[in-house]
Amino acid sequence: EADIYQTPRYLVIGTGKKITLECSQTMGHDKMYWYQQDPGMELHLIHYSYGVNSTEKGDLSSESTVSRIRTEHFPLTLESARPSHTSQYLCASSDAGQADTQYFGPGTRLTVL
Amino acid sequence: SQQGEEDPQALSIQEGENATMNCSYKTSINNLQWYRQNSGRGLVHLILIRSNEREKHSGRLRVTLDTSKKSSSLLITASRAADTASYFCATAPGGNNRLAFGKGNQVVVIP
Repeated sequence: EADIYQTPRYLVIGTGKKITLECSQTMGHDKMYWYQQDPGMELHLIHYSYGVNSTEKGDLSSESTVSRIRTEHFPLTLESARPSHTSQYLCASSDAGQADTQYFGPGTRLTVL
Repeated sequence: SQQGEEDPQALSIQEGENATMNCSYKTSINNLQWYRQNSGRGLVHLILIRSNEREKHSGRLRVTLDTSKKSSSLLITASRAADTASYFCATAPGGNNRLAFGKGNQVVVIP
């Protein structure tokens, strides 16, 4: 099991609410990623970070934002949730010395009503 | 962009049989990786094969890579019910640390 954690595991909220999905890893990895995945579908990279104070948008446009103030912490925030944000959000991290092998957290399943 | 594409998309087999999945990609790569995802969970790394390797084994897993055809296959031998999962290939394009994941192969192993 990888030492990467996500909270909450499940979240059901109403439209317009602000939410933050937490992701933490204890492996000291510099690189961290957020993916969005609908059930049974492919992963879409929405944000990534190569280190503290470094964040980039991924391949899929997302209204969410991220921050990387500490190496181990990479939270994702939605300022105003909408039903279209309903999905599973997966956080991952990798070490540059391991040929890009990524370690995934268990995911947060978000439902916006 | 998602350049890995697995084939077949869904596979149902009896316990003890072998399961084979294929993955194709479009650009040059440094390595190709296979991941497993159990329902509702995160992905777990299974095996990595570098672009200069042709075949690799890990337990009941066998991966091949044909860079001339830009394709890879994952073979699971003597499947078990616990192998029921979705399997994703992911490519690491040269000079780019971001993996590109395929659409996934759903494998169901019937006890």
